[in-house]
Amino acid sequence: SAVISQKPSRDICQRGTSLTIQCQVDSQVTMMFWYRQQPGQSLTLIATANQGSEATYESGFVIDKFPISRPNLTFSTLTVSNMSPEDSSIYLCSVEEGTSYEQYFGPGTRLTVT
Amino acid sequence: AQTVTQSQPEMSVQEAETVTLSCTYDTSENNYYLFWYKQPPSRQMILVIRQEAYKQQNATENRFSVNFQKAAKSFSLKISDSQLGDTAMYFCAFTPTGFQKLVFGTGTRLLVSP
Repeated sequence: SAVISQKPSRDICQRGTSLTIQCQVDSQVTMMFWYRQQPGQSLTLIATANQGSEATYESGFVIDKFPISRPNLTFSTLTVSNMSPEDSSIYLCSVEEGTSYEQYFGPGTRLTVT
Repeated sequence: AQTVTQSQPEMSVQEAETVTLSCTYDTSENNYYLFWYKQPPSRQMILVIRQEAYKQQNATENRFSVNFQKAAKSFSLKISDSQLGDTAMYFCAFTPTGFQKLVFGTGTRLLVSP
C-alpha cells in the first residue's frame, strides 16, 4: 500500500489564525480524501480531492473554511481557516488504492486551537 | 442515507482469548464494500480486513475474521488469540460501489489485558 506522510504531526494555534496541513503520497493516486476526527469521535469526511479539479465538499463543510489544493497526483493540502477552539481535532488524509475502494490513511495531524 | 452502527462503545478481553466486535449498517444498495479499521493510540488508521458484499465467503486475515450476514446487514469482526497490540479503537466502515466515500461507525474501544 501507499506510504502517506502528513505535516505537521501536531500544532497548537491561536484563535483566528490559519493552518495548512500537507499530505504527501509516495505513489500517484487519483483520489485523495480529507477527514476530521473530533476528540473521542469517529471520522467525518470533509472533502474529496481529485487532481485537476475542484474539491468536492461534504455537507457542513465549505471551501472558505477548509480550502484544499491538489496540484499533482502525489500531494494535497488542507487549510483550516480562521480557527476557533471547535476546530481542535485530528485531521487525516487518505488515498484510495486498488479496485475495492480501500482507503489508506496518513498518520494524522493533531490540531489544538487555543 | 447510509449509516453504520457499532453498539459496543468498549470491550475488554484477556490475552489469548477471542473477542467479537459488532457492526450493523443500513443501506438500500446491493453492491458495496465493508471494512474494519484499527486505530491504536498512535492514531494511525490501519485497514484490518475487507469484505465485498457479493461474496458469500467470509473474509479472513490471519487472526482476524468477519461474520458477514447480508440479509441481516451485520458485519462482525472476530479477533482470535488476542494480543496486547490489538488494543485500539476499531471502526467499521461501509461504501457503496461507485461512491468512493467511506461511512464510519462510532467505533469500539478494545482493551486487551495480560
